[in-house]
Amino acid sequence: ETGVTQTPRHLVMGMTNKKSLKCEQHLGHNAMYWYKQSAKKPLELMFVYSLEERVENNSVPSRFSPECPNSSHLFLHLHTLQPEDSALYLCASSQEAGAQTQYFGPGTRLLVL
Amino acid sequence: DAKTTQPPSMDCAEGRAANLPCNHSTISGNEYVYWYRQIHSQGPQYIIHGLKNNETNEMASLIITEDRKSSTLILPHATLRDTAVYYCIVNYAGGTSYGKLTFGQGTILTVHP
Repeated sequence: ETGVTQTPRHLVMGMTNKKSLKCEQHLGHNAMYWYKQSAKKPLELMFVYSLEERVENNSVPSRFSPECPNSSHLFLHLHTLQPEDSALYLCASSQEAGAQTQYFGPGTRLLVL
Repeated sequence: DAKTTQPPSMDCAEGRAANLPCNHSTISGNEYVYWYRQIHSQGPQYIIHGLKNNETNEMASLIITEDRKSSTLILPHATLRDTAVYYCIVNYAGGTSYGKLTFGQGTILTVHP
């Protein structure tokens, strides 16, 4: 257990569905991250939050919408996704934004049909 | 970021020490060496990091050469559950791009019974 939990662990959705991924960290960290990991591709940083404020958005399509209601919770709202969005979505946290010591959740395996 | 070079794969017998090398000949004075691993279909897991002194925690030991151009991650008693891809990263403690972790190809460690 890393202290970072993600739900659901697996998700299948159609292109017209709306779903949300949830992440919770129990480490008292101030920063949280969303990453995307596709098969045979490097880890892609999507969003960074520091104390509930978004500090980085790496040109992610608007069909991905993050939400950070407090420093322990992070959501990724999904709508009208494409099949190429199928991937492992990883949440991580660190003491401060930018730290290279990050603790990851188990990920949500997303399949878009 | 300094580049790292790791062997693509290594084998280890269960119960023996696994020694994973990493070359980082262009590392700068303030850059740390970080190690992560990723077990198949799981999120990356932080293992250990160091600047110039050797480090040890409950998971592993990190040996950094005096010139800091290479390092070795040591798993003292490898188990089957240590089979994973191991990534060596070199970066400043505060990171760059708001904490983006950049994994290279890593080393696939296979622990055999």
